[in-house]
Amino acid sequence: SQQGEEDPQALSIQEGENATMNCSYKTSINNLQWYRQNSGRGLVHLILIRSNEREKHSGRLRVTLDTSKKSSSLLITASRAADTASYFCATVPTGTYKYIFGTGTRLKVLA
Amino acid sequence: GAVVSQHPSRVICKSGTSVKIECRSLDFQATTMFWYRQFPKQSLMLMATSNEGSKATYEQGVEKDKFLINHASLTLSTLTVTSAHPEDSSFYICSAPLMRGGSEQYFGPGTRLTVT
Repeated sequence: SQQGEEDPQALSIQEGENATMNCSYKTSINNLQWYRQNSGRGLVHLILIRSNEREKHSGRLRVTLDTSKKSSSLLITASRAADTASYFCATVPTGTYKYIFGTGTRLKVLA
Repeated sequence: GAVVSQHPSRVICKSGTSVKIECRSLDFQATTMFWYRQFPKQSLMLMATSNEGSKATYEQGVEKDKFLINHASLTLSTLTVTSAHPEDSSFYICSAPLMRGGSEQYFGPGTRLTVT
């Protein structure tokens, strides 16, 4: 399977703490994206990082990409209870336009 | 902004019946759309690529006679789950790229299928 791996599978933190999720993938990519999904709901696009970028910020989100290690991380700073959700990375392998999703991290932020 | 809609959002059907799920691109045309399936607490798995005016391309392990895909217009793709069984119960999500060949996609809100 081409599916990416994410770790941890589940993460539980206190409000105000930072949350870090990691994603590893298997092929060369055009870009990597992070999505959030609240329970039973659709996907919310968070951030896209291209293969020639190493780091990107958006509000409380910071994404890094290491193409040599085929890995990415998502950092959520100063977490809030509303950040409780599942987070998925999705890669677009070079030469395709298909999305390959990671296994996901279930984040729980305790108030 | 670009939006992808799905209908219905939730459907319950009896075992052996067929269910059709619609995916529409609003305000933009999509020659290609993608269908995903997501089981509870699992990730999204790509099922097939829907191509306007031609046959869909299915991922390995996905039965094309079970999951019929029709992409009859530039704004509509349909997924029909034929002779549904309880194991087909899942969350089905479609997506469409805003630009032809573009890798940035817009996702529909999903359809929750429950087969009893």
